[in-house]
Amino acid sequence: DAKTTQPPSMDCAEGRAANLPCNHSTISGNEYVYWYRQIHSQGPQYIIHGLKNNETNEMASLIITEDRKSSTLILPHATLRDTAVYYCIVRSSNNFNKFYFGSGTKLNVKP
Amino acid sequence: EADIYQTPRYLVIGTGKKITLECSQTMGHDKMYWYQQDPGMELHLIHYSYGVNSTEKGDLSSESTVSRIRTEHFPLTLESARPSHTSQYLCASSTMGSTEAFFGQGTRLTVV
Repeated sequence: DAKTTQPPSMDCAEGRAANLPCNHSTISGNEYVYWYRQIHSQGPQYIIHGLKNNETNEMASLIITEDRKSSTLILPHATLRDTAVYYCIVRSSNNFNKFYFGSGTKLNVKP
Repeated sequence: EADIYQTPRYLVIGTGKKITLECSQTMGHDKMYWYQQDPGMELHLIHYSYGVNSTEKGDLSSESTVSRIRTEHFPLTLESARPSHTSQYLCASSTMGSTEAFFGQGTRLTVV
């Protein structure tokens, strides 16, 4: 599975959009980009995933660059409850592949 | 809401004791995982299973063992707990080819 690089921490004002970047320059053609978050040491929670098209769901939007070497998770209106560690993972859909978590980005949403 | 449960949530135990951390899921998922996470640190995969009677070691060496006798149950056992085993243990499950893994709430283990 490809390695990802994320900034260790970011701040965001409450009500503003939070844009979390992720570099995955060694991603291969069959690998998806996943985002999870972990709030205060609870079990990680799935947010969104995509292959090459931009994706949106009720939680967030995922923007993947055309060359797929980087992506951005967007929380459109961050709230205090979005304070968490956000993990970017790349993984193929191979049945035998596992989920590897890096160090993630600690997002601090401030009032 | 994911149907994957871990018990106990918190456990304080003396050195040398044998303990089993329970993980159960009611989603019929074939794949199950155990991760270990120290406070503020990364999640490390320590065990996984592709189905009944399948168990594999993860990338982080662990003195724990696992078993998978039933699809829904993936317990983790420490034969002789030591203070170095103090950590949070997270269980997860997914279907084959799934795009998503579901996590339990974790067991926070303290060995004194």
